[in-house]
This record gives sequence, C-alpha cells and structure tokens, in this order.
Amino acid sequence: ETGVTQTPRHLVMGMTNKKSLKCEQHLGHNAMYWYKQSAKKPLELMFVYSLEERVENNSVPSRFSPECPNSSHLFLHLHTLQPEDSALYLCASSQDLWGFSTDTQYFGPGTRLTVL
Amino acid sequence: TQLLEQSPQFLSIQEGENLTVYCNSSSVFSSLQWYRQEPGEGPVLLVTVVTGGEVKKLKRLTFQFGDARKDSSLHITAAQPGDTGLYLCAGAAYSGAGSYQLTFGKGTKLSVIP
Repeated sequence: ETGVTQTPRHLVMGMTNKKSLKCEQHLGHNAMYWYKQSAKKPLELMFVYSLEERVENNSVPSRFSPECPNSSHLFLHLHTLQPEDSALYLCASSQDLWGFSTDTQYFGPGTRLTVL
Repeated sequence: TQLLEQSPQFLSIQEGENLTVYCNSSSVFSSLQWYRQEPGEGPVLLVTVVTGGEVKKLKRLTFQFGDARKDSSLHITAAQPGDTGLYLCAGAAYSGAGSYQLTFGKGTKLSVIP
C-alpha cells in the first residue's frame, strides 16, 4: 500500500465509449502524474500536475483529457479511444514537482484498460 | 532523447542462484533509480544512486552506479521466489524550469523458480 489508490482496477471499453480513471493520493503531496505502461515499451509520462496546475503534456492525443480538481485527486477522461490505447495506466505522486534528482515518486496499482 | 537500455529483457533462474541485470545509456543522469513492479501493482522504489561509482546494498540486492553516471547494475545474491517481478531502472535528468524528469527503461522480467 503506497498511499496512492486508483479506480477502477480493470476497465473494458468500446471505441465510442466515454469513461474516466480516478486517482487519489493520501500522502499530502503536491505533484501528481499520469503514466502509460504498454508491453515492450518503457513507461511513458503523459501528464504532470503541480498544485493542481498542468505543467507538462507530453504530446498526448486529445482523446485523453486530464483533470486535477485538488492536490489529492487526479482524473483521466477517455473518449473515442483506439485499440492501441490498451495499456496499464499508472498514477503517481511526489511531495513536490521534481526539484531534486533524488525525489521519490509513489505509484498507484494502475488501471488495466482494454479498448475493443 | 535519452534512452535507457535494460538487459536481459527476461531472466528465469532457480532459487539460490545469483544474477545481474544491467541498465545502460549514452546519456549522463543526475541520479538513477531502481524499481520493482509485481504483477497487478505499480512500481515500488528500491533505491536511488546519485554519485558516480556509488554502491548501495539492500539485503541481498547490490546496486552500482557507473563512474560516468551513464549506466547501472543490480546484482541479486541467492535469489528467492519473492524476488520475482519486473525490475525497472529510471534516470533523472534536468529538464529545465527547476525540475527533473524520469526516463524509464523497458524493464527486466525476473522469474525465480522454487
């Protein structure tokens, strides 16, 4: 238990559906992240939020839409996804935005997404 | 673009054997982290190495950061079934605006057979 929870743990959706992934951290951290983990590829950073402000968007398609209503919650809204978007989506948090090279990110267990 | 190459990709060994996994790059990193990810879970940080040549030990796990801070290794002595998992290395580099960014390798999937 890392203090970062994600729901749902598994999600199957069609290409025309709209769904949302939820992440909650109980660590009092100020920075939150969305990562995508696909088979045979390194973890890809998707979005970074610091104090509820988006500070980075790594060229992610607009069918992924993040939302950070407060420093404890992070959402990833999904619509008109493609089968190649099937992956494990990981949320992470850290005390602050990576100001030191030794900062630690705490990961949630992930949401396994399958797009049919 | 900074890349981290991990080898081997897959490793299956008997309980009690020793093993080493490698993480290599042509880029210099400010620090390097090793994570273990078990099935159905997110990565959990094992160690951070910062200084070139640094060696850190965590029970049966020994981590080394290369002198030039471009590569790292993880050595496990007398592997146990509980060591099974995906081992990820991640390098931290300064990305500007006062922050660092992590670049991850693809990972080494380790299976320790009882």
